[in-house]
Amino acid sequence: GEDVEQSLFLSVREGDSSVINCTYTDSSSTYLYWYKQEPGAGLQLLTYIFSNMDMKQDQRLTVLLNKKDKHLSLRIADTQTGDSAIYFCAESKKTGFQKLVFGTGTRLLVSP
Amino acid sequence: GAVVSQHPSRVICKSGTSVKIECRSLDFQATTMFWYRQFPKKSLMLMATSNEGSKATYEQGVEKDKFLINHASLTLSTLTVTSAHPEDSSFYICSALFSRNEKLFFGSGTQLSVL
Repeated sequence: GEDVEQSLFLSVREGDSSVINCTYTDSSSTYLYWYKQEPGAGLQLLTYIFSNMDMKQDQRLTVLLNKKDKHLSLRIADTQTGDSAIYFCAESKKTGFQKLVFGTGTRLLVSP
Repeated sequence: GAVVSQHPSRVICKSGTSVKIECRSLDFQATTMFWYRQFPKKSLMLMATSNEGSKATYEQGVEKDKFLINHASLTLSTLTVTSAHPEDSSFYICSALFSRNEKLFFGSGTQLSVL
């Protein structure tokens, strides 16, 4: 299987919370990231978490890390139609942002 | 914020032809750029690391003679898919490393379809 796995699709209603899940295999991962890709645009870094943390919150975004289960999630509160995009989970072993290992991306569709 | 321009966004070509994809950092110099490929329903996979003024470093399983990378200036890296075949049809995306804060900035990707 893939080193980093995500489900391919998620559909939610506007105003609901979205939870995008990711599992990874490498226990030596140092940093875990969430990127967002809107149509016709490049991937943009949303947030990242160090492997020694279990939670990080940034406005509507909450990242949860279960290092034991190698499971990462991104929760988007009060999801808006503008949140519709592809969300990529990624991990790296080195400090900085080089040599990222990505997942498949999860396409989030937010309906009004 | 920093911008990376990737061109073309979509290309359709005949089998056996070569296709060049450009990746430009518009407002910063990037000594290091990365090229990725994504097949449908698969992960975005790193193909190679492009270093300005030197040879690219290819990941295991990526043919360097098939995927030619040139990083001749601090703002431009090109990926040439030589003698393209239908199995090379994929989404290719580049990123540029802004060395000042070690952040990556991505292009918008190129969808290559080889007939």
